[in-house]
Amino acid sequence: GQSLEQPSEVTAVEGAIVQINCTYQTSGFYGLSWYQQHDGGAPTFLSYNALDGLEETGRFSSFLSRSDSYGYLLLQELQMKDSASYFCAVRLNTDKLIFGTGTRLQVFP
Amino acid sequence: DAGVIQSPRHEVTEMGQEVTLRCKPISGHNSLFWYRQTMMRGLELLIYFNNNVPIDDSGMPEDRFSAKMPNASFSTLKIQPSEPRDSAVYFCASSPPGYEQYFGPGTRLTVT
Repeated sequence: GQSLEQPSEVTAVEGAIVQINCTYQTSGFYGLSWYQQHDGGAPTFLSYNALDGLEETGRFSSFLSRSDSYGYLLLQELQMKDSASYFCAVRLNTDKLIFGTGTRLQVFP
Repeated sequence: DAGVIQSPRHEVTEMGQEVTLRCKPISGHNSLFWYRQTMMRGLELLIYFNNNVPIDDSGMPEDRFSAKMPNASFSTLKIQPSEPRDSAVYFCASSPPGYEQYFGPGTRLTVT
């Protein structure tokens, strides 16, 4: 079977740094993706890690350790607009993604 | 680029009725995905196509669900007959090979 685990909810204040962890057990692994979804909206792509290490895109960074079946999304300089749900997703092959249950981030002023 | 287009955006129907959801992928993307999202089950992959051919339909819940992709610019997801437990948001997504998926705005389906 396939399983991805991430915390259900995280809270933080504006300007802070927050880390959302993701552990996975899957049959097959090409890489780990992260998606953001605002309430009532569609998931949008944030980042992708195929190799171990840190990928940085502006205020957001994503990390992968294939040997530990673990990754995280790091959000810096939090803004109110970052309040959303964040999903990790394992890419099983060239195309197929399996999504985690999502982490709801609430940013307070 | 208009992005992935889905219609209708909202659908309310009675149990037993047929429901057809439509999707137009981004031009040039050769993979198309149908997802269902609920609070209880999260975001589930129902089926995906590559070059208009169904590759993996293992997520389709039962025979009441069917999907087609007659050409590169159009796909449908049909539920017949619909049941209240089918109420969910249904997303269509498309991608070029090996790249991130672009999601449409979704169709919110309510079956009463």
